[in-house]
Amino acid sequence: AQSVTQLDSQVPVFEEAPVELRCNYSSSVSVYLFWYVQYPNQGLQLLLKYLSGSTLVKGINGFEAEFNKSQTSFHLRKPSVHISDTAEYFCAVSGSARQLTFGSGTQLTVLP
Amino acid sequence: SQTIHQWPATLVQPVGSPLSLECTVEGTSNPNLYWYRQAAGRGLQLLFYSVGIGQISSEVPQNLSASRPQDRQFILSSKKLLLSDSGFYLCAWRAGPSSTDTQYFGPGTRLTVL
Repeated sequence: AQSVTQLDSQVPVFEEAPVELRCNYSSSVSVYLFWYVQYPNQGLQLLLKYLSGSTLVKGINGFEAEFNKSQTSFHLRKPSVHISDTAEYFCAVSGSARQLTFGSGTQLTVLP
Repeated sequence: SQTIHQWPATLVQPVGSPLSLECTVEGTSNPNLYWYRQAAGRGLQLLFYSVGIGQISSEVPQNLSASRPQDRQFILSSKKLLLSDSGFYLCAWRAGPSSTDTQYFGPGTRLTVL
């Protein structure tokens, strides 16, 4: 079985400040990790994914995430956020199952 | 390139009425297909997934059903809607059963049951 925990349900941050959205997972098999973003009333869009290789993964819109196997984490970071980054962010894990397991989501609100 | 369509985009239905939401995928063959629901203020709930025509797996027993009449068509239905069926319904597809395959989402349908 696999599970994903997003530790913060809401993260407010001022514009141009750095942000980190936390994600921890548990799995008994090798995992592949994904971050998605959802803007209001839209579907989910893939930000980035870790399959293998370098543990630092760069995605779209200036986001990056680091896979840490020993801490079973895959935290999402951006050095300077914009108002347009306001959205809900979902971490997901893929292991032996046919479908992704999603976290409960983190609402990022960027304040002017 | 692959695209995924959902319709309608918005739907308002009375309690007890039937429901039919449609999802189609273009540009790929034999995709894995998924239906999710997001209730207000809650995360993603997987409702159904399908690995082929006529093959449906239900994740949560409830008032809804799904069908896959064609390779790239996935339909979510209900005979009688409940207030609790309100939410944002998302269809998704995945190229295959590999754990490395990315899952892609449609634009969603906003369902309000009154």
